[in-house]
Amino acid sequence: DAKTTQPNSMESNEEEPVHLPCNHSTISGTDYIHWYRQLPSQGPEYVIHGLTSNVNNRMASLAIAEDRKSSTLILHRATLRDAAVYYCIVDAGNMLTFGGGTRLMVKP
Amino acid sequence: DTEVTQTPKHLVMGMTNKKSLKCEQHMGHRAMYWYKQKAKKPPELMFVYSYEKLSINESVPSRFSPECPNSSLLNLHLHALQPEDSALYLCASSQEGLPGAGELFFGEGSRLTVL
Repeated sequence: DAKTTQPNSMESNEEEPVHLPCNHSTISGTDYIHWYRQLPSQGPEYVIHGLTSNVNNRMASLAIAEDRKSSTLILHRATLRDAAVYYCIVDAGNMLTFGGGTRLMVKP
Repeated sequence: DTEVTQTPKHLVMGMTNKKSLKCEQHMGHRAMYWYKQKAKKPPELMFVYSYEKLSINESVPSRFSPECPNSSLLNLHLHALQPEDSALYLCASSQEGLPGAGELFFGEGSRLTVL
């Protein structure tokens, strides 16, 4: 399975954009890149996923490097409710293997 | 209905007890998953059911026994557990068992404590 590397933690100010990086240098050509987040005391929640092109949805944007060895999750305006652990996952088949994740702290 | 419902939310059991965790979804999903999550760690995959058949068992000890009675229900039977099995057990489902083309929907988890 392709491994992912994320910073352990990041801090952001409320209402500012946040860029969460992820390295996945061993990704294969058909592997999707997924992002999930886990709020305190809840199960993980889907955020976004993509293959090659950048993706946008109501929650976030996903920017994928041209060589696909890294990606960035972009939260356009962080709110206090975005404080969570964000997991970048490379899908190598029909299952998702979670890596360490980035704990995002949002300051008011 | 876009929910995955897990019961019970909390369970305390002794090492000689037999108990079960239950998971239910009514989204018509054909793949269901069990994950285990220890405190401050990422979820670890345990089992995957696809079209009611066990397709992945991530070398989980036999004291954990999954069961998928139908496409909406997933159980995890627990017997002779150890204190180190205390964790949050998360159930998830997806449309076709191919997360590359879609997303996993997770329940809120069942927090298990083994005494």
